Amino acid sequence: KAGVTQTPRYLIKTRGQQVTLSCSPISGHRSVSWYQQTPGQGLQFLFEYFSETQRNKGNFPGRFSGRQFSNSRSEMNVSTLELGDSALYLCASSATSGTDNSPLHFGNGTRLTVT
Amino acid sequence: AQSVAQPEDQVNVAEGNPLTVKCTYSVSGNPYLFWYVQYPNRGLQFLLKYITGDNLVKGSYGFEAEFNKSQTSFHLKKPSALVSDSALYFCAVRDSGNTGKLIFGQGTTLQVKP
Repeated sequence: KAGVTQTPRYLIKTRGQQVTLSCSPISGHRSVSWYQQTPGQGLQFLFEYFSETQRNKGNFPGRFSGRQFSNSRSEMNVSTLELGDSALYLCASSATSGTDNSPLHFGNGTRLTVT
Repeated sequence: AQSVAQPEDQVNVAEGNPLTVKCTYSVSGNPYLFWYVQYPNRGLQFLLKYITGDNLVKGSYGFEAEFNKSQTSFHLKKPSALVSDSALYFCAVRDSGNTGKLIFGQGTTLQVKP
């Protein structure tokens, strides 16, 4: 079974631009979560989607948004990029949304650098 | 609110020696605890989880973790460390409510020296 696939692996953007990151979950997984990883703040939860519905949202500004499609693929968008948005963005999928404590399966992430 | 703490930024052990990476938690209700490992430029890999049952949980790559309710701890252990175990380790707890959201500790870098 193919793992979680995130594209692109690396991105360099300029302040003020917007960016879209993509995530394809493991086949059959309906839950997709996004996390931001930085050296200073560690791993922070962005949002969780299950069957195209946002189930949870972390404490991030409205510039961060996401969506999930009917095939469970997910995208996250960051508008008006700031230098502090530079981070590794990790997508994770699971079969369910926490009800059976199935583990999250992570992709290798998208490294975003904002200059 | 659910939280986890990893008190050590780095743990150094010699190859062949036992290793322990510490984690303590604070939860309301039953704790659902996880350990993940991250290698450079990669995502997180699931090692093991504690949901209920035996306090000693066995996971991938020879790792195990000991759940201690009275000490609110969930320490990761391995009897004999390998150089290839060198990586960043995260303890996590599932958030309360019907959600898959995980709350992660700050991470502990494990350095295994030959």
